[in-house]
Amino acid sequence: AQTVTQSQPEMSVQEAETVTLSCTYDTSESNYYLFWYKQPPSRQMILVIRQEAYKQQNATENRFSVNFQKAAKSFSLKISDSQLGDTAMYFCALNGNFNKFYFGSGTKLNVKP
Amino acid sequence: EAGVAQSPRYKIIEKRQSVAFWCNPISGHATLYWYQQILGQGPKLLIQFQNNGVVDDSQLPKDRFSAERLKGVDSTLKIQPAKLEDSAVYLCASSFQSRGNTGELFFGEGSRLTVL
Repeated sequence: AQTVTQSQPEMSVQEAETVTLSCTYDTSESNYYLFWYKQPPSRQMILVIRQEAYKQQNATENRFSVNFQKAAKSFSLKISDSQLGDTAMYFCALNGNFNKFYFGSGTKLNVKP
Repeated sequence: EAGVAQSPRYKIIEKRQSVAFWCNPISGHATLYWYQQILGQGPKLLIQFQNNGVVDDSQLPKDRFSAERLKGVDSTLKIQPAKLEDSAVYLCASSFQSRGNTGELFFGEGSRLTVL
């Protein structure tokens, strides 16, 4: 079975500060991909960052970076210099075999001015 | 490049009525997904198509939900009869990769269903 767990239902951060969202997963696949998706209020879900499991180097996209700990099955998202536009639901997702995606329950991030 | 198109954006119906949602994926994307997202929860896969074949419909309530993807392009999700617990956003997504696990998902804006 493949599962994704996000244990932080809601978080707040002050504008310009750094915040880390947690995600743990479980999979029996040897090769897989991990994603963070962002869903702004009443808007479509978009990809934030992607990590390939066989790559040891952590992925980075501008202000967004991940801490991928394969042995611990942990995949956290760090947002630096938080902006008001970062306010959204964030979903961690696992792409396992047969192009199947498994999503966590989400973390609601509120960036305060 | 056009994104994933969904319609209608909003629908309000009475319980026991029927509703249909339409999705047109990004051109060339072989894999199409329908997800149900209840408020405050993560997306739950209802059905996954690869071209015009079903890959996974294990969580589709087949007594009331049906979906088709004729000609391997656009898709329709139908609910008949609707129940109160079907109130949710129905998300359509597509992916370029037809096998393997390298593709990202591209989502539409969703169709919000309210069942009264």
